[in-house]
Amino acid sequence: GENVEQHPSTLSVQEGDSAVIKCTYSDSASNYFPWYKQELGKGPQLIIDIRSNVGEKKDQRIAVTLNKTAKHFSLHITETQPEDSAVYFCAASKPGNQFYFGTGTSLTVIP
Amino acid sequence: DTAVSQTPKYLVTQMGNDKSIKCEQNLGHDTMYWYKQDSKKFLKIMFSYNNKELIINETVPNRFSPKSPDKAHLNLHINSLELGDSAVYFCASSLAGQGNEKLFFGSGTQLSVL
Repeated sequence: GENVEQHPSTLSVQEGDSAVIKCTYSDSASNYFPWYKQELGKGPQLIIDIRSNVGEKKDQRIAVTLNKTAKHFSLHITETQPEDSAVYFCAASKPGNQFYFGTGTSLTVIP
Repeated sequence: DTAVSQTPKYLVTQMGNDKSIKCEQNLGHDTMYWYKQDSKKFLKIMFSYNNKELIINETVPNRFSPKSPDKAHLNLHINSLELGDSAVYFCASSLAGQGNEKLFFGSGTQLSVL
């Protein structure tokens, strides 16, 4: 089955700096890569996703890049704000299959 | 008008008891899931149902029994609760369960077994 690894497990940045979270996957057939943000006491919420036919996608301060050859994808948050503090999960899936989640990154943005 | 709603939010119970968690989605999705999140925040799928039919049944003790009366509801019943069942349980849904589509989560049920 698929194996998704996520790094780092914790990340602290100063407000206004950028944050980068990286994931690798093992199954070359995986073609959908979402990122979820989980705030304290809440369920994971989809913040951005990318499909394998695209190398990069951006939505305001959030961007995701995908390198299919190397089987890794990354989440980039620019101009971080305190409300960006949360646990972030990457995931990978393919048609007809379940989602495989990374182990999460706890991001703290220091004011 | 919460998209995926689950109740209760918190559940505290004694070992050996039987409890249920309810989930409903109003997104018109065909597929619903139960995930377990342990103390290290790891998300693991337990079950998925597509239009009331069981699709995924991971290695979960048979004390856990999902029930889907219709495609908008997926409940989780747990018999003979054990200390190790303490976790946060999330219900989720997706449009067709094809794997490469958006997944929407409920807000979770924190189960504490004493």
